[in-house]
Amino acid sequence: AQSVAQPEDQVNVAEGNPLTVKCTYSVSGNPYLFWYVQYPNRGLQFLLKYITGDNLVKGSYGFEAEFNKSQTSFHLKKPSALVSDSALYFCAVRDSGYSTLTFGKGTMLLVSP
Amino acid sequence: DTGVSQDPRHKITKRGQNVTFRCDPISEHNRLYWYRQTLGQGPEFLTYFQNEAQLEKSRLLSDRFSAERPKGSFSTLEIQRTEQGDSAMYLCASSDRGASVGNTIYFGEGSWLTVV
Repeated sequence: AQSVAQPEDQVNVAEGNPLTVKCTYSVSGNPYLFWYVQYPNRGLQFLLKYITGDNLVKGSYGFEAEFNKSQTSFHLKKPSALVSDSALYFCAVRDSGYSTLTFGKGTMLLVSP
Repeated sequence: DTGVSQDPRHKITKRGQNVTFRCDPISEHNRLYWYRQTLGQGPEFLTYFQNEAQLEKSRLLSDRFSAERPKGSFSTLEIQRTEQGDSAMYLCASSDRGASVGNTIYFGEGSWLTVV
């Protein structure tokens, strides 16, 4: 079975400050990890993914994520937050033996001016 | 690519009525997925197709739900005898050519269903 945990329902950060949105996962095989962002009443937009290789993955809009196998984590980060980054962020995992993604419950990111 | 297209974007229906949603995947994507998302939750997998074959169905997909993908192109998701608990956003997604588990899944804008 594959599962994802996003321990924070909401993250608040001031514009210009660094942000981190946490994600931990559980799989039986090799993990394939994804981050998506959702704006109000919209679908999910792909941000970045980890498949293999470098543990630091860079994605869209200045976001990056760090894969940590020993801690089974894949935290999303950005050095300097923008108000326009305010949205709902989902972490997702796919085990090497599965064809579908399993999502976390999501973390609301609020960036204040 | 024009992205994954879903229609209608919003549907309000009375309990007991049937509804159908359509999804047009990104051109040449051979995998197509349906997910359901309720308020405060992440998307939950319903079913997926590889070309025209429906390869997996979640236990969330009750007998009132049926999905098809004739000719391996667009897909439809039909809900019969709708219930208030069916109110949700139904998301369609498609993935790159090939069966690699690392392939990115791209989502459409979703179809909101409200059952009154």
